[in-house]
Formats: sequence, C-alpha cells, structure tokens
Amino acid sequence: QVQLVQSGAEVKKPGSSVKVSCKASGGTFSSYAISWVRQAPGQGLEWMGGIIPIFGTANYAQKFQGRVTITADESTSTAYMELSSLRSEDTAVYYCARVGYSGYDYYWYFDLWGRGTLVTVSS
Amino acid sequence: DIQMTQSPSSLSASVGDRVTITCRASQGISNSLAWYQQKPGKAPKLLLYAASRLESGVPSRFSGSGSGTDYTLTISSLQPEDFATYYCQQYYSTPSITFGQGTRLEIK
Repeated sequence: QVQLVQSGAEVKKPGSSVKVSCKASGGTFSSYAISWVRQAPGQGLEWMGGIIPIFGTANYAQKFQGRVTITADESTSTAYMELSSLRSEDTAVYYCARVGYSGYDYYWYFDLWGRGTLVTVSS
Repeated sequence: DIQMTQSPSSLSASVGDRVTITCRASQGISNSLAWYQQKPGKAPKLLLYAASRLESGVPSRFSGSGSGTDYTLTISSLQPEDFATYYCQQYYSTPSITFGQGTRLEIK
C-alpha cells in the first residue's frame, strides 16, 4: 500500500527557513508527481507548487515564487519543500500529495495525501 | 489565476438528506475539477475528479456534474460520516491550481 510519510512538526523563528520531507513508501516514485498544499489554522487549502521527479522540473504558485523550493530525490523516494523568509502567516499544516497519473499524462488533482506537517512560525 | 467560488459556505442537513454543493469557476475549466472531503485534523480525501469520475473506494452516494464554469457535488443520502468540509479544485490552469474556499456540512 502506497503511503506518503511526512517529517515531523517544526517550530521556526521569523526570517528563517524550513524544509519538510515527504517519503513515498511503495509504488514507483519515479512515475509520481508530488505537490505541496498548505492549510493555515481554520482556513482553506492553498496550492504551493509541485514537481515531476522524472523530469526534475518544479512549478510554483506565483504567490510563493522566489520563496519556495521543491525538490525530489529518486534514490530515496523523497520529495522536499523548503520555504524561506518565514513569517507568522506561514504558520500552517503543510501537506504533500500525489498528482493523478493515467499512465500517459499527469492530471493535477491529488489522489493520495500525506498526514501533514505543522510548521509554527513564532518569535 | 482562476477563482473558484463555492456555495454555500456552510450547510446544515440531516442524515438521509440529499445535499448539493456548487462550485463556480471564473472562466471555463473543461471539466478539470476535483472534489475533496476533509474531516477535522485529517488530510483531504479525493472524492471525484474530471468533474464526475468517482475515485476508487468512494461510495456511490457521491456524484458530480457540470460543465463550463459551473459544477456540483451531490450526496444522495447523507450518512453520519459525511459531515465534513468539502473543497473543489480546478486543475485546468496548471500550474496555477486553485481551490474553492470550502463548504462546511454540519448536522442539523
């Protein structure tokens, strides 16, 4: 059974960076595309960006351009999301999610989710 | 970015009721729409994609329809486990993916 296992909760200072990991267990990681979605407390879902590891290319939401970096390591079946210049508004649960794949093409809905990583930004 | 507007924002219903949630896109999205269910403290769960295709394992009481800019999620007979928050998401404008603001479904 395929699972996405995320790293543990983090507490960060304003201005610092955080790097969250998402390890895929089972399945063929090289065929996955992984996205990152965040949810601030009591708020809705916000897409941050995604990566297709086999292509090595990442796409980012305009809001996070220049502040987020999404990478993937096929050798460990792990995707990463690094967010820099943290501010209090970045306090949220960060989810990784697998992008739908037909075997031929990617469809950017999310059919498998990690359990989420709480990042708290506080001085 | 394509804006997704859900209505209503919240809804009270009873077990056994038929419930419909609407999602409107700011431009046509050619059925590139997914619906998710989220319960408190849990990750979202995919219910439907391509506007009307049921994800494997999702009960058939969930259905989706629509075209162009207007889409609906229908729950034919509410069950106790269906009380949750529901989100729509467009993936037509990749990589500018956007979600609706959510509809909270509560027990009446």
